[in-house]
Amino acid sequence: SQQGEEDPQALSIQEGENATMNCSYKTSINNLQWYRQNSGRGLVHLILIRSNEREKHSGRLRVTLDTSKKSSSLLITASRAADTASYFCATESAGNQFYFGTGTSLTVIP
Amino acid sequence: EAGVVQSPRYKIIEKKQPVAFWCNPISGHNTLYWYRQNLGQGPELLIRYENEEAVDDSQLPKDRFSAERLKGVDSTLKIQPAELGDSAVYLCASRPVPQGTEAFFGQGTRLTVV
Repeated sequence: SQQGEEDPQALSIQEGENATMNCSYKTSINNLQWYRQNSGRGLVHLILIRSNEREKHSGRLRVTLDTSKKSSSLLITASRAADTASYFCATESAGNQFYFGTGTSLTVIP
Repeated sequence: EAGVVQSPRYKIIEKKQPVAFWCNPISGHNTLYWYRQNLGQGPELLIRYENEEAVDDSQLPKDRFSAERLKGVDSTLKIQPAELGDSAVYLCASRPVPQGTEAFFGQGTRLTVV
């Protein structure tokens, strides 16, 4: 089963623009993670935000978490062609359940 | 340090044949996951191991799928018999503890059932 749902399903932007993708989930969580997947490859961890945190930064990435709305957003600033990939949120909840969302496919046009 | 190693990378089989996937997690990682990922979808959890114990296999289709993790290290996932709908990428992931840390993924095994 999948806990999260990403929005939009697909996003196409010009290099240098910012990309924002959202994740909504269904149940209470302990933390939320974002992963990137290049075509034909495994997933790579980007960032983890705990349920008691509201915002976190890592390089060009900014993640927010709103537990009251059960949603998170991932912002990639000053996008590059190399950022082209699929992005997934993953939620961790009680019982160590670890489920992924449906993903956002990002295309950055040079 | 070696990452999560999966083999084979690709497998093509005829329907009704058996198939097995192998995963070698990162050394010291007690938690191991098998996910199935259909094209354009997110990974769906099949089974989670804590050491050698399968602690969450609620999503594993037990009529045809089986898994084992010998001595809490390597793991195999088997399908017998395979169906056309089993065509997907099978991903293995591991992490040191079951919560609050990043998971490391292998490259996956792309299964095509014809």
